[in-house]
Amino acid sequence: EPEVTQTPSHQVTQMGQEVILRCVPISNHLYFYWYRQILGQKVEFLVSFYNNEISEKSEIFDDQFSVERPDGSNFTLKIRSTKLEDSAMYFCASREQTSGNTIYFGEGSWLTVV
Amino acid sequence: GDSVTQMEGPVTLSEEAFLTINCTYTATGYPSLFWYVQYPGEGLQLLLKATKADDKGSNKGFEATYRKETTSFHLEKGSVQVSDSAVYFCALSDRNNDMRFGAGTRLTVKP
Repeated sequence: EPEVTQTPSHQVTQMGQEVILRCVPISNHLYFYWYRQILGQKVEFLVSFYNNEISEKSEIFDDQFSVERPDGSNFTLKIRSTKLEDSAMYFCASREQTSGNTIYFGEGSWLTVV
Repeated sequence: GDSVTQMEGPVTLSEEAFLTINCTYTATGYPSLFWYVQYPGEGLQLLLKATKADDKGSNKGFEATYRKETTSFHLEKGSVQVSDSAVYFCALSDRNNDMRFGAGTRLTVKP
């Protein structure tokens, strides 16, 4: 079964450093998402992306964050100048346009900012 | 905005016990409703879904019925197993087809 893959699975970074989290969505999917889950808390929507542009973003997704689809397969989340409170599990997800509205998630990238 | 409220955990049950995890939603329009499960150390997996009122989603012995009159989508299983221990998230898909999650309910099943 096709799946969303994410790299790295774990990353430890120093406060103030830039981090790029990578995702390969399911190949025929057209909508892409990033979600965040701080340890022990709820899953929070960050951003959705369609047709090479952001379609919606939450208040969490401030100027520190950016997303990009640099080629036909990857979808990246960049966090500039990381803060301690950015420590979380980041989930990438994708959705096929015509299959209704089921979103498929990757296994997540665990980011620890120290 | 659209939102989901689910029963707070943690929930601890003995094997073969009956499980109910309550979920209610607030939405404009007619959202689709989902249950996702997160096993220890893993990502989110779709457990079941329902796209319209009175639909029943089912998978792996779990069931949930979309109740428009009570705006609910409670998750049930008649006989839980140790392997069902996980965090369960109720979610809805809003007008923009973006997912909104509940806070999650941690279930621990003891032998």
